[in-house]
Amino acid sequence: DGGITQSPKYLFRKEGQNVTLSCEQNLNHDAMYWYRQDPGQGLRLIYYSQIVNDFQKGDIAEGYSVSREKKESFPLTVTSAQKNPTAFYLCASSTRSGTGYNEQFFGPGTRLTVL
Amino acid sequence: SQQGEEDPQALSIQEGENATMNCSYKTSINNLQWYRQNSGRGLVHLILIRSNEREKHSGRLRVTLDTSKKSSSLLITASRAADTASYFCATDARGSNFGNEKLTFGTGTRLTIIP
Repeated sequence: DGGITQSPKYLFRKEGQNVTLSCEQNLNHDAMYWYRQDPGQGLRLIYYSQIVNDFQKGDIAEGYSVSREKKESFPLTVTSAQKNPTAFYLCASSTRSGTGYNEQFFGPGTRLTVL
Repeated sequence: SQQGEEDPQALSIQEGENATMNCSYKTSINNLQWYRQNSGRGLVHLILIRSNEREKHSGRLRVTLDTSKKSSSLLITASRAADTASYFCATDARGSNFGNEKLTFGTGTRLTIIP
């Protein structure tokens, strides 16, 4: 059963704590992405990775960090430096090509709330 | 960075009617994609239209693209209650090395189908 999973579904964090959101895919996709979505808003790109051991900053990378040690996994750490971390976080993956024709597959999301 | 803007922000129609939503963007693109998001869930890819295409169909969906006006429209015919969701357009910039490496999402149209 192929797909992309995120855990946990809900996460509560105290101010000043770092938290790590999990994203795993078994679609054999090269590229993976992290987005943030605020209520009533579109998606904003945090980080993306085109290949293992490589990743690039997106539009709102400050206060976040990622790693890509395995093709299947792309965890996101929300650090204490992120001033307003309460949001819905979405992970996605896609095949990599030079044609620009590839859809992104999304996980179910993690809702992070800072207490 | 380019930003897709959907119009209208919200749309309510009776079941069975057609729903049309529009997307405008700012820079040249390789392709434009439409996604659906049910409340609190991840996004689901609906359809992709290439920059050299003008119209595309998929089931009850019809997408048009006008690159001279930098705009696209999504038409859902014979709407159903299950079509209730938010709809987002997403574009990737022409000239990207790997095409789909970065998608820019619009702010979405919230569609409500009234039974």
